[in-house]
Amino acid sequence: QKEVEQNSGPLSVPEGAIASLNCTYSDRGSQSFFWYRQYSGKSPELIMFIYSNGDKEDGRFTAQLNKASQYVSLLIRDSQPSDSATYLCAVNGASKIIFGSGTRLSIRP
Amino acid sequence: ETGVTQTPRHLVMGMTNKKSLKCEQHLGHNAMYWYKQSAKKPLELMFVYSLEERVENNSVPSRFSPECPNSSHLFLHLHTLQPEDSALYLCASSQDRGRIDTGELFFGEGSRLTVL
Repeated sequence: QKEVEQNSGPLSVPEGAIASLNCTYSDRGSQSFFWYRQYSGKSPELIMFIYSNGDKEDGRFTAQLNKASQYVSLLIRDSQPSDSATYLCAVNGASKIIFGSGTRLSIRP
Repeated sequence: ETGVTQTPRHLVMGMTNKKSLKCEQHLGHNAMYWYKQSAKKPLELMFVYSLEERVENNSVPSRFSPECPNSSHLFLHLHTLQPEDSALYLCASSQDRGRIDTGELFFGEGSRLTVL
């Protein structure tokens, strides 16, 4: 079983709609959860992190965490073409960050 | 100037060559990392240095040899690599390893390695 699983996509969403990205993890002891965005040919950059069950909002981005079900999601409201990228879910485990393989998101005009 | 700088950006080498990747961070961080990114695979942590001491070696083959002479510089020495080692090698830094729970890794642009 992969430690952090994501649907590889591509996920295609029309401009202005809500994009929903999901991630599941295997280590129940994980405490911290992160979303990185990686544009094609660029390096990953941290966009959200969440520690507690529930929602965390930052502008158009909302991270949702459900520890009982071991999933974390990222919602992007009012999707823009500039949101087209690969989104990496990451989880802390044994003092190191473990990444999923990423979901490629494409926002179509 | 970017916070984490990697050179070279692209490298092609034969299996018998010896080369090195270089990473420099200008953020005042004291932890540095090497990650490997292959197509459709998760980022793989290779090595972690905290205060110039190697604190993680994630079962990486000995043909990869890291070096951290100070908290701002990190090298990855490569020798007798295999074609399957072709990948994007990313360097990252963080404020200190105790802050790793914030996930605030700052990545360089990566070195794209092709082994023929």
